[in-house]
Amino acid sequence: AQSVTQLDSHVSVSEGTPVLLRCNYSSSYSPSLFWYVQHPNKGLQLLLKYTSAATLVKGINGFEAEFKKSETSFHLTKPSAHMSDAAEYFCVVSGRTGGSYIPTFGRGTSLIVHP
Amino acid sequence: KAGVTQTPRYLIKTRGQQVTLSCSPISGHRSVSWYQQTPGQGLQFLFEYFSETQRNKGNFPGRFSGRQFSNSRSEMNVSTLELGDSALYLCASSLGPGTANTGELFFGEGSRLTVL
Repeated sequence: AQSVTQLDSHVSVSEGTPVLLRCNYSSSYSPSLFWYVQHPNKGLQLLLKYTSAATLVKGINGFEAEFKKSETSFHLTKPSAHMSDAAEYFCVVSGRTGGSYIPTFGRGTSLIVHP
Repeated sequence: KAGVTQTPRYLIKTRGQQVTLSCSPISGHRSVSWYQQTPGQGLQFLFEYFSETQRNKGNFPGRFSGRQFSNSRSEMNVSTLELGDSALYLCASSLGPGTANTGELFFGEGSRLTVL
């Protein structure tokens, strides 16, 4: 069984300040972890992924995340927010089942960026 | 390389009708999965197809079905529509089973279904 909890439904920051979106996961095995971003009326786009290599993962648009097994966390950060970062962010845990990956999505965190 | 294409993008149906949604995966991707996104339930896995076979299914009633064709294109069908079926239906493609598959999904922009 697997589950994922995004600890904040909304995060509000000012442009140029750091971003922290929190994600905790639960999995019976070594999972793959992902962060996706969804802009209004669009599909989901992959930001970054952890697949048991380096624990600090760098993604697109300056985002990065650190896998902490002891804390079962995979928080997403960015040093300086940009207006274009305003979107919905989803943390996803994915485990292999019979050769396929079945994803479980968090409920999403809406990032609001103020000028 | 073309992305995942979903058609139609928007559609309106009435209760009791049925609907068919289409998804064309990225060239070379053999696995297609479907998701329902609603404000109340979030993103939920519907089913996954690989090589024209349903490999996994989420917890949805039998009114939700799908299929995959030999060219990896997929369709999903919802029969006897209910108001609660109003949602954004997202399709995603991936490489499919194998060591090269890390679970990364490539999503289309979705089909927004409104049931009146």
